[in-house]
Amino acid sequence: QQQVRQSSQSLTVWEGETAILNCSYENSAFDYFPWYQQFPGEGPALLIAIRSVSDKKEDGRFTIFFNKREKNLSLHIKDSQPGDSATYFCAASGGSWQLIFGSGTQLTV
Amino acid sequence: GPKVLQIPSHQIIDMGQMVTLNCDPVSNHLYFYWYKQILGQQMEFLVNFYNGKVMEKSKLFKDQFSVERPDGSYFTLKIQPTALEDSAVYFCASSPHAGNTLYFGEGSRLIVV
Repeated sequence: QQQVRQSSQSLTVWEGETAILNCSYENSAFDYFPWYQQFPGEGPALLIAIRSVSDKKEDGRFTIFFNKREKNLSLHIKDSQPGDSATYFCAASGGSWQLIFGSGTQLTV
Repeated sequence: GPKVLQIPSHQIIDMGQMVTLNCDPVSNHLYFYWYKQILGQQMEFLVNFYNGKVMEKSKLFKDQFSVERPDGSYFTLKIQPTALEDSAVYFCASSPHAGNTLYFGEGSRLIVV
C-alpha cells in the first residue's frame, strides 16, 4: 500500500500552459510535503515545500495547493517551459525520520 | 546550493562481491540518508543515520547492508555480499535537522552482474 500516491505517471503540456501534478497521501500524521524535481542522471532537488498548517505556497511559477481534509495536494507550474521537463516527486514526512516519496510524474513540455 | 558528493558515480560488480558506496554530505549537516531508485522510478528509503547510529531503516535495508561514518569522514553504504536485485541507483542525502529539507547527491549507479 503506497503511503504517497501520484495519480499520473506522465503528463504532457504545451509550452505556456499550466501543468497540474496531483498527489494524495494516507497518513494523517504527515505534516511536511516537499516536491522534488529530478532530471535524468541527476539526484532529486527540492523545488518547493509546504507544511500542513498552510493551504497554499507560492514560489515564482510554482504553487502548491494543499487540502488537509481530503489528504491531497497539487503542484501547479504556470507558463510551463521546455526546461521544466523532468520527473516530479511528491514526498511526505511527519513524526518519523523518513521522507516518503511518491512514484513520480514525468512531465514533458 | 549545498552539495552532496557521491563516489563512485557508477560501478559494475560481480554478484557476491562487496561494494562500498561513499557519500560526502553537506558540511554542517547532521542527518544522513540512503535511498534506492530503480530505473528512474520511486525513491525508496533505506536508512537514516544520526550521531553515529542508525535511527530508522526500511525492510529494503537487508542484513547484507551496513552504514557507517567513521570519524566524520565519508558516510558509507556497504553491501556484502551483493545480489542481482541490488542493481539500482543509490542516492545519499543529508539534512541539517530531522524532518527538514533533504539535499541529494547525484547518485551511484550500481550494476551487479
